[in-house]
Amino acid sequence: NAGVTQTPKFQVLKTGQSMTLQCAQDMNHNSMYWYRQDPGMGLRLIYYSASEGTTDKGEVPNGYNVSRLNKREFSLRLESAAPSQTSVYFCASSAGDGPYEQYFGPGTRLTVT
Amino acid sequence: LAKTTQPISMDSYEGQEVNITCSHNNIATNDYITWYQQFPSQGPRFIIQGYKTKVTNEVASLFIPADRKSSTLSLPRVSLSDTAVYYCLVAFTGGGNKLTFGTGTQLKVEL
Repeated sequence: NAGVTQTPKFQVLKTGQSMTLQCAQDMNHNSMYWYRQDPGMGLRLIYYSASEGTTDKGEVPNGYNVSRLNKREFSLRLESAAPSQTSVYFCASSAGDGPYEQYFGPGTRLTVT
Repeated sequence: LAKTTQPISMDSYEGQEVNITCSHNNIATNDYITWYQQFPSQGPRFIIQGYKTKVTNEVASLFIPADRKSSTLSLPRVSLSDTAVYYCLVAFTGGGNKLTFGTGTQLKVEL
C-alpha cells in the first residue's frame, strides 16, 4: 500500500498561472483533506471532503477549488496563483469525518513568484 | 470551535520524560483530543487520541482531567529521534471542517 500520494513534489508558478495538485489514497478512506503549512503557522485546513461526492470549506478556502473525483482522489486547484499561496500543501485522508486518525501525504512545495 | 494553546518550544535530554500540555478551554462535549508528531519536510503522524481520563499506547500516554479543559501528552524516556513538532487537535464526529492544528510545540532533545 502506498498510503497517500501527492503530485507534484515541487512546483514553481508565476503569478496568475493555474495548476492542480493531485492527491490519491489507497486505504478506502471516506474523508480527505487539503491543508497548507506556512513557516511558524502550523497546518490550516483549506477544504475537505467528508465522503465521496461532498466537499466543504475549511479555514482558508479563498483562491482554491477542489474536486473529489472518486473515493480515491481529491484534487486542489489554484485558478490564478498569487505569491501569498506560496506554501507547503499536504493532503490527508481518514476513515471518517472528524476525530479519526489522519494519514498524510509527503507534501507539495509550491512557490509563486 | 475549540481553540488550542500549547507552549511554543520545549527542551529535554535523552532518557527523560517529557510532558507537553495543551489548553482547550472551550472544548465541547463531543470533542476528542488527538496528538500528532511532525518531522521536517514530512506530513504529521498520529500519536494518540483520547476523550477523558488516561490513554496509553506503545509510544505515549495522554492524560485528560475531568473538566477536559486541558490535556497532557507524556513521552517516556525520549531520544534524539523524538525531536519534532507536536500538535494538539480537538475534533468531533462530523466536524471535519473545524479541524485546526495550531502552531504546535517544537520539542528539542539533546544528548
